[in-house]
Amino acid sequence: AQKVTQAQTEISVVEKEDVTLDCVYETRDTTYYLFWYKQPPSGELVFLIRRNSFDEQNEISGRYSWNFQKSTSSFNFTITASQVVDSAVYFCALRSLGSGNTGKLIFGQGTTLQVKP
Amino acid sequence: EPEVTQTPSHQVTQMGQEVILRCVPISNHLYFYWYRQILGQKVEFLVSFYNNEISEKSEIFDDQFSVERPDGSNFTLKIRSTKLEDSAMYFCASSETGVNGYTFGSGTRLTVV
Repeated sequence: AQKVTQAQTEISVVEKEDVTLDCVYETRDTTYYLFWYKQPPSGELVFLIRRNSFDEQNEISGRYSWNFQKSTSSFNFTITASQVVDSAVYFCALRSLGSGNTGKLIFGQGTTLQVKP
Repeated sequence: EPEVTQTPSHQVTQMGQEVILRCVPISNHLYFYWYRQILGQKVEFLVSFYNNEISEKSEIFDDQFSVERPDGSNFTLKIRSTKLEDSAMYFCASSETGVNGYTFGSGTRLTVV
């Protein structure tokens, strides 16, 4: 079975704090992709990053960084020096490439991040 | 940058009415998807579409739902007889290969009253 778990339902931080959003996934496939999306109050899904299962290099993009660890099936997302504009719901998603899988994404429950001024 | 376009952005319909949600995927994409997000919940897969047919559907996608690509550019989701519990945000997505270029539209908020 394929599953994504975001155990943190809500996180509240004060501006400029660092915050890490956790994502744990389950899949039996050896080839898969992991995604993070941001959903601001306006409702759209904003793509942040895609990682494939063969690339465990951590990635940094400005204040955002991602830590992918296959050994623990985790793909955690850290925002450094958080800002009020980072307030949103963040979703982690899994795309497996097993037989019969046609490209659907399996989403976690989402983590609501509130950054207070 | 190419976009997936969804119309309308918000639709209100009466229970029992049929509704059609429209999507224009990115032109060179071959894989098309519909997802649903009930308010405050996670995004759930409904259906995938490739080569002019449904390639996978979830348990949610029952007989009241159908999808169509009527003219080579639009991709529609029809709900035949809407129920109150169909109220949700519906997202269309398209992808070039099923992985590359996976792009979501901005969603249609459906409210069934």
